[in-house]
Amino acid sequence: EVQLVQSGAEVKKPEESLRISCKGSGYSFTNYWISWVRQMPGKGLEWMGKIDPSDSYPSDSYTNYSPSFQGHVTISADKAISTAYLQWSSLKASDTAMYFCARHLRVEDTAPIDYWGQGTLVTVSS
Amino acid sequence: QSVLTQPPSVSEAPRQRVTISCSGSSSNIGKNAVHWYQQLPGKAPKLLIYYDDLVPSGVSDRFSGSKSGTSASLAISGLQSEDEADYYCAAWDDSLNGVVFGGGTKLTVL
Repeated sequence: EVQLVQSGAEVKKPEESLRISCKGSGYSFTNYWISWVRQMPGKGLEWMGKIDPSDSYPSDSYTNYSPSFQGHVTISADKAISTAYLQWSSLKASDTAMYFCARHLRVEDTAPIDYWGQGTLVTVSS
Repeated sequence: QSVLTQPPSVSEAPRQRVTISCSGSSSNIGKNAVHWYQQLPGKAPKLLIYYDDLVPSGVSDRFSGSKSGTSASLAISGLQSEDEADYYCAAWDDSLNGVVFGGGTKLTVL
């Protein structure tokens, strides 16, 4: 059974750093892209970016970001433990949101997301 | 403002049929496949329709999708109270080089 299990809720202060995780199981982690999606309170879904953890990139993974999030977050992965990460170096109150990781059905741009993590709630408040 | 445009809300009575529209442009819907997601309150989204009109295994055949030009639609027939949820369309955008979502449509079953 394919599962994406995310780390637990976080409460942080502005300017603090944070890394949340998403562990894939039940499938070959390196064969599927992982995206991160933000949902601010009471709002819709926003695609943040994706990572290709393929073995085609032996020492790293390929990432691309939405222009809205480029430079504000970092997406990475540890293939050895089938885990993707979303990281902030300096949080803002406006980063308060639910964050979902999600797997793409195929390794192609037009592929849908077929599995979603349960979400990680990040609250940033002084 | 979302790149894909959906009505904020729709409502219909039980057992009736409702459609949700999703309008885009030549760089997204006009060129690439549309996917639909259902998000029940407090839950993660779930894939409902993919590649314009395909229904994933386990999803009721009361759900159907279509696309024409730069617009797509989701239809739900035989409405049930359990269909009350937020529905999102999505597509790859060649200009933005990323996935774009609609703003979401809240379905109320009267």
